[in-house]
Amino acid sequence: AQSVAQPEDQVNVAEGNPLTVKCTYSVSGNPYLFWYVQYPNRGLQFLLKYITGDNLVKGSYGFEAEFNKSQTSFHLKKPSALVSDSALYFCAVRDGGSSNTGKLIFGQGTTLQVKP
Amino acid sequence: NAGVMQNPRHLVRRRGQEARLRCSPMKGHSHVYWYRQLPEEGLKFMVYLQKENIIDESGMPKERFSAEFPKEGPSILRIQQVVRGDSAAYFCASSPVGTKAFFGQGTRLTVV
Repeated sequence: AQSVAQPEDQVNVAEGNPLTVKCTYSVSGNPYLFWYVQYPNRGLQFLLKYITGDNLVKGSYGFEAEFNKSQTSFHLKKPSALVSDSALYFCAVRDGGSSNTGKLIFGQGTTLQVKP
Repeated sequence: NAGVMQNPRHLVRRRGQEARLRCSPMKGHSHVYWYRQLPEEGLKFMVYLQKENIIDESGMPKERFSAEFPKEGPSILRIQQVVRGDSAAYFCASSPVGTKAFFGQGTRLTVV
């Protein structure tokens, strides 16, 4: 069965410091991996995705993520955090197999708190 | 090109009433997904529809919940005889044939 784990409920980081939000996944076929961000009382905004190719994926707002097949991880990173990055972050996986319907399996979410 | 439009944004229903949530996908998108976000939880897949067809409803509760995506008009998620446990944020996402899904702002259902 497909699953996504975000082991940290909350990540705290000082403004200007690098941040990492962790995600590991389990899928039977080739994974399609996504990161979304959710601001309070808002919908989800797409940040970035990995389908194939370069393991380091660059996305919106200076975020990037590294696909690591051996560790089945897709951690979200940013070199220098901003207070405005404070939000709820979701990792999601989709099985890239041909029979897959395209539905996303989401992690529980990680709250990122960036302090000035 | 407007994004995925959901309405209403907020919906209050008394126990036993019906809730109808609407989703208009982005122009050109023929795939619609519904997800539910319970308080303090992540999003859970409910149903995947294409025009006039339910493709995958493996995440739908077996009773009281139904979904449709007619040839014309928005996709509708219908919850009959709502109970307090149905209180949640319901998100719709649409995509073209491809991989990236675009999410709406969600409908926050409160059952009183």
